Amino acid sequence: QQQVKQSPQSLIVQKGGISIINCAYENTAFDYFPWYQQFPGKGPALLIAIRPDVSEKKEGRFTISFNKSAKQFSLHIMDSQPGDSATYFCAASPLTSGSRLTFGEGTQLTVNP
Amino acid sequence: DTGVSQDPRHKITKRGQNVTFRCDPISEHNRLYWYRQTLGQGPEFLTYFQNEAQLEKSRLLSDRFSAERPKGSFSTLEIQRTEQGDSAMYLCASSLWLDDGYTFGSGTRLTVV
Repeated sequence: QQQVKQSPQSLIVQKGGISIINCAYENTAFDYFPWYQQFPGKGPALLIAIRPDVSEKKEGRFTISFNKSAKQFSLHIMDSQPGDSATYFCAASPLTSGSRLTFGEGTQLTVNP
Repeated sequence: DTGVSQDPRHKITKRGQNVTFRCDPISEHNRLYWYRQTLGQGPEFLTYFQNEAQLEKSRLLSDRFSAERPKGSFSTLEIQRTEQGDSAMYLCASSLWLDDGYTFGSGTRLTVV
């Protein structure tokens, strides 16, 4: 059962452009929404995370936008760089459970120089 | 201690054999998670420990799978009577609090031939 749906599956962006990846969730108990970046042969690494009490969070070139009523959240990468080329995963969890993250299927981002 | 360490990095085994993987979390992290990731998919939750107690197991964790975390330090994941469908990347992660984000290891890639 896929509880977090991620799109697009792959994305190609020119250097300096904006990369946008979207996720939608079903479980209204989710209240923690992280984004992870994964390079080949490595484990996922936390990029940025948001709680539903705010609609936007920015850290450097990375911004999460969150729409609680639509049950959607997105990652924006500003001024995309070739070094950003990786697979990005959204995830969600109910913080109170203290346990599992449910991940989206991933977006393979390629930033062309 | 700079991260989560997993051993081995790669394991090739014949169908029907037993395999065991080890995870050494960040020392001050009391939570430890095992996930499985197949090619082109997001990580899927397997099980979770808080200190030495195994608090949650996924339905994915069949009776051929067992995980332990003696003394709340390192953890082992054993797969008995391996099947070709067990071929995947097995990821370990640790955290102090969920909203601090997980720190993933680089994973153990299992190939069952």
